[in-house]
Amino acid sequence: QIQLVQSGPELKKPGESLKISCKASGYTFTDYAMQWVKQAPGKGLQYMGWINTQTGKPTYADDFKERFVFSLETSASTAYLQINNLKNEDTATYFCARGYLARYWGQGVMVTVSS
Amino acid sequence: DIVMTQSPSSLAVSAGETVTINCKSSQSLLSSGNQKNYLAWYQQKPGQSPKLLIYLASTRESGVPDRFIGSGSGTDFTLTISSVQAEDLADYYCQQHYSYPLTFGSGTKLEIK
Repeated sequence: QIQLVQSGPELKKPGESLKISCKASGYTFTDYAMQWVKQAPGKGLQYMGWINTQTGKPTYADDFKERFVFSLETSASTAYLQINNLKNEDTATYFCARGYLARYWGQGVMVTVSS
Repeated sequence: DIVMTQSPSSLAVSAGETVTINCKSSQSLLSSGNQKNYLAWYQQKPGQSPKLLIYLASTRESGVPDRFIGSGSGTDFTLTISSVQAEDLADYYCQQHYSYPLTFGSGTKLEIK
């Protein structure tokens, strides 16, 4: 069955970096793009952007053009989200989701940024 | 970017009632090429990942109960949940899938009295 399994929760300090993984299984990884969605505590869903899994080209929404990097390890069917220079406002759950129409979602990674 | 305005932000209903959630886009989501509206609805239950309910404004995802009905065209869309069940307690989001960035509405929290 199709699954997206994300890495575990993270506790970081402001200024640090982190890299979240999203491992896909049950389908051909390069057949679908991967999108990323942020959900701050108690808030709604915020689209971060997507990465073309065939070319590796990322596209970022305006709020995520600085400090955020989407990447792939195609041989491992894994997508990554890296956040640099973490800020308190990056505290959120981050989801990966398959395709531009998100039928399949990862379980989410809770990231806490606190000094 | 296309701005999605969703209303109401919350509502509380009794089981068996009908619920209507509205979503308005800042520009038309209707493709002139195929006359399809690129609007999706997602359900997010507490502590869970979102789930796709409806896409292309009115096409129900496989396995979604037929009490969930999407309608609308152009810039105005509606999600109707008929005969609400206790299990429908969730947040509901519209999202345009017409153009990048794919933007979400602010969400509607559905509570069951």
